Amino acid sequence: GAGVSQSPSNKVTEKGKDVELRCDPISGHTALYWYRQSLGQGLEFLIYFQGNSAPDKSGLPSDRFSAERTGGSVSTLTIQRTQQEDSAVYLCASSYRDPGSYEQYFGPGTRLTVT
Amino acid sequence: GQQVMQIPQYQHVQEGEDFTTYCNSSTTLSNIQWYKQRPGGHPVFLIQLVKSGEVKKQKRLTFQFGEAKKNSSLHITATQTTDVGTYFCAGHEGNAGNMLTFGGGTRLMVKP
Repeated sequence: GAGVSQSPSNKVTEKGKDVELRCDPISGHTALYWYRQSLGQGLEFLIYFQGNSAPDKSGLPSDRFSAERTGGSVSTLTIQRTQQEDSAVYLCASSYRDPGSYEQYFGPGTRLTVT
Repeated sequence: GQQVMQIPQYQHVQEGEDFTTYCNSSTTLSNIQWYKQRPGGHPVFLIQLVKSGEVKKQKRLTFQFGEAKKNSSLHITATQTTDVGTYFCAGHEGNAGNMLTFGGGTRLMVKP
C-alpha cells in the first residue's frame, strides 16, 4: 500500500513569508509525528498527534510554528514569518495506534530553504 | 523528561571491520526501536526490542537490550559499504500515549 507522503518535496521561501507543509499518513494510522532535521543532525521532535487526543506540542520551537490534523488523517505544519534558522528537512511519520509499540513509517520529507 | 543518548556520534571504519553503537536512556524503557537513515533518505525501521536482556539478529546486525532496560546496542559484523548511514535508537517509556524519544544517532562511514 501507499506509504507516508509529504508535499512539497522542496520549498524555497523568502525570510518573513509563511509556509505550509503537508503530510498524508498511512491509512489507519492514528499516531502522527512531525520532526525537523538539520543537515547532518538528529531528529528534533516538533509535535505529536494521537487519535482524538490533544496534540503534544512540547517540541515546537516557537509560537511561529503550529500544526493541525484534520479528521484524524492529513496534517499540516505551518511556519509563520520564516527565519533562516528554520531551514531544514521536515519529516512526518505515522504509526498504527500507540507509537511506542509500533514502528514509525517516515515520509520522504520536505526540504525547506529560507533565503 | 526522558533523554536518550547515543555514542559515538560518528564512526569511520574500514570495510570488513566491526562497528558498534550504544544507546543509553535516562529512564527505564518498555521497549526500544532502531532505525537506519541512508544519506539523503529518511529513517527506516530496523527492529524493536521489548524484553530485558533480549538479543535479536538480522544477518550481520546484532541488537541487544540491557538487563535494566535502560541501554541498548547495535553491532554490525564485517561492515560493508551498504551499511553506510545514520543509525538511530528510539526509546519508549511505556505509558499509553507517550511518544518515542530518539537518540542523536551514530553516523557510520565505511571506507572501501
